[in-house]
Amino acid sequence: NAGVTQTPKFQVLKTGQSMTLQCAQDMNHNSMYWYRQDPGMGLRLIYYSASEGTTDKGEVPNGYNVSRLNKREFSLRLESAAPSQTSVYFCASSEALREGNEKLFFGSGTQLSVL
Amino acid sequence: QKEVEQDPGPLSVPEGAIVSLNCTYSNSAFQYFMWYRQYSRKGPELLMYTYSSGNKEDGRFTAQVDKSSKYISLFIRDSQPSDSATYLCAMKGGSYIPTFGRGTSLIVHP
Repeated sequence: NAGVTQTPKFQVLKTGQSMTLQCAQDMNHNSMYWYRQDPGMGLRLIYYSASEGTTDKGEVPNGYNVSRLNKREFSLRLESAAPSQTSVYFCASSEALREGNEKLFFGSGTQLSVL
Repeated sequence: QKEVEQDPGPLSVPEGAIVSLNCTYSNSAFQYFMWYRQYSRKGPELLMYTYSSGNKEDGRFTAQVDKSSKYISLFIRDSQPSDSATYLCAMKGGSYIPTFGRGTSLIVHP
């Protein structure tokens, strides 16, 4: 059971470089999310996609773009990396629970350092 | 003020202690209350969730919600070193996206 797979696990960039973080889920979930996690800040939502073909901004979208390529894949792109984007990035997908709640399944994260 | 407040700790307790982890919130629309557990260098995993007020028990874990005080708690009985992790509370209302607390780091030492 792969669940949510993120690549790469680690990445070092220089300021101004670009890169794409890849995420894929095999659970047939409609909703997918990108979070960043910084010490003392908790999980902050960057972008989310409620269904294939739709994306919406979260709490901290500046400096990022996303693509929901198909139902399985949701990528996060940094066009011009900045040191403030040094963080651990988590992709998640969600399963609807009864009573209207949802359960998020997270990938193992990408540790990104921007020098 | 953030919608969800959670003390980041760390909270250090001896093995066998009862642990109390807490969050407060300000949004009255929150109806679903969740606790995620995150081990070092891993993604969070859902531990428990409750709907509206009341208690829910699962083995050594009890989740408690007091909507009148906008306060939720997670109790861990007979804590074990394997419980050492970061515990994140999360809340959502209706069709909204879950909002996470900052997480509390728990260390259970033998």
